[in-house]
Amino acid sequence: GAVVSQHPSWVICKSGTSVKIECRSLDFQATTMFWYRQFPKQSLMLMATSNEGSKATYEQGVEKDKFLINHASLTLSTLTVTSAHPEDSSFYICSVGGTTSYEQYFGPGTRLTVT
Amino acid sequence: AQKITQTQPGMFVQEKEAVTLDCTYDTSDPSYGLFWYKQPSSGEMIFLIYQGSYDQQNATEGRYSLNFQKARKSANLVISASQLGDSAMYFCAMRKGMDSSYKLIFGSGTRLLVRP
Repeated sequence: GAVVSQHPSWVICKSGTSVKIECRSLDFQATTMFWYRQFPKQSLMLMATSNEGSKATYEQGVEKDKFLINHASLTLSTLTVTSAHPEDSSFYICSVGGTTSYEQYFGPGTRLTVT
Repeated sequence: AQKITQTQPGMFVQEKEAVTLDCTYDTSDPSYGLFWYKQPSSGEMIFLIYQGSYDQQNATEGRYSLNFQKARKSANLVISASQLGDSAMYFCAMRKGMDSSYKLIFGSGTRLLVRP
């Protein structure tokens, strides 16, 4: 199955700065990647669907100007949290669909803390 | 709209016993997939089992089985012979269609604690 990596695994940044999180599909070319956010003791909430070579599709309520997604290649999608605030502190997870209907591979996640 | 409901925020089970985690779903699409994931404290999402809406038989993967009742729109996870390492959050999820390019919608999760 596909191996998905994320970098960094954790990051601390100051309020007002921007942070970029990378999601890589190591052995599978992914035209679609998904970005989820998970607050403590809560479920995963889909933020956006990242499409290679085109604009991302954002879920309702997610600010596309704040959470910039770039899917420039079949193996890399990036999520940039711009002008981060403490309420953006969360666990961000990406996932990649595989070649069969049951395959959905998740990255290990990135824990963001905004001080 | 699709919806996944997990009504058990927390469950206890004695080691070596079986436990059932409930999941109900709502969709008007005839084609969909149902998933169960385990999330330990490390945060990684571990795939456990999958059931397609057209699958006639309940899915099984080792100690995990999915009790799929299509008419009742339920997809309960059964873990047999619980182990201490099974203590974790468990999420039920649904995807529209059979294409892996479709997004997953997650339930609120159930925290399972296995007692020695």
